[in-house]
Amino acid sequence: DAGITQSPRHKVTETGTPVTLRCHQTENHRYMYWYRQDPGHGLRLIHYSYGVKDTDKGEVSDGYSVSRSKTEDFLLTLESATSSQTSVYFCAIRTAPNTEAFFGQGTRLTVV
Amino acid sequence: AQSVSQHNHHVILSEAASLELGCNYSYGGTVNLFWYVQYPGQHLQLLLKYFSGDPLVKGIKGFEAEFIKSKFSFNLRKPSVQWSDTAEYFCAVNARGSSNTGKLIFGQGTTLQVKP
Repeated sequence: DAGITQSPRHKVTETGTPVTLRCHQTENHRYMYWYRQDPGHGLRLIHYSYGVKDTDKGEVSDGYSVSRSKTEDFLLTLESATSSQTSVYFCAIRTAPNTEAFFGQGTRLTVV
Repeated sequence: AQSVSQHNHHVILSEAASLELGCNYSYGGTVNLFWYVQYPGQHLQLLLKYFSGDPLVKGIKGFEAEFIKSKFSFNLRKPSVQWSDTAEYFCAVNARGSSNTGKLIFGQGTTLQVKP
């Protein structure tokens, strides 16, 4: 498996609290992505990064922010968690747009 | 903006049946196309990819896909499925070109259930 670590793997949090998910890679890949997976919706892109401090919005970015201050870490923050953000979150990395994306094991987030 | 649509949401087949899963994308320019598989409880893994050249691409585990540019399609096929192919399948696309920042978009997924 590619060197991708997501933390935490599971989290339960209360509505209105901020939450930060971390994606750490040891592959020195330029591109990093955050997706959420929900039944019936597949994987939806939240934000992605094409370099240090270079990020862009995906399809479902409202309520989420990201930061990438160094190559190996891509942080996803839910500013004020809502129940609609209960989901499984996947991080992915790849070297270039014409290469395979490698996925992390996922983070299961429950907002109560 | 690019988008991906998978027509079949849930497919049930018996072992040895043939499989075809539909994938259409929306983007006017050149694209990279992918099929990924997610086995129960696991993360996504690449089945196959198309960047250029022969529009018929072969992947792992006997899967293949055909890129038909005129139809904006990239359908996944397998001549004979096995019980172990039970999984969720995702089509994905990213646009190519000078403005390409590597945005990778996935379809809604197709759940395949293979009955022994």
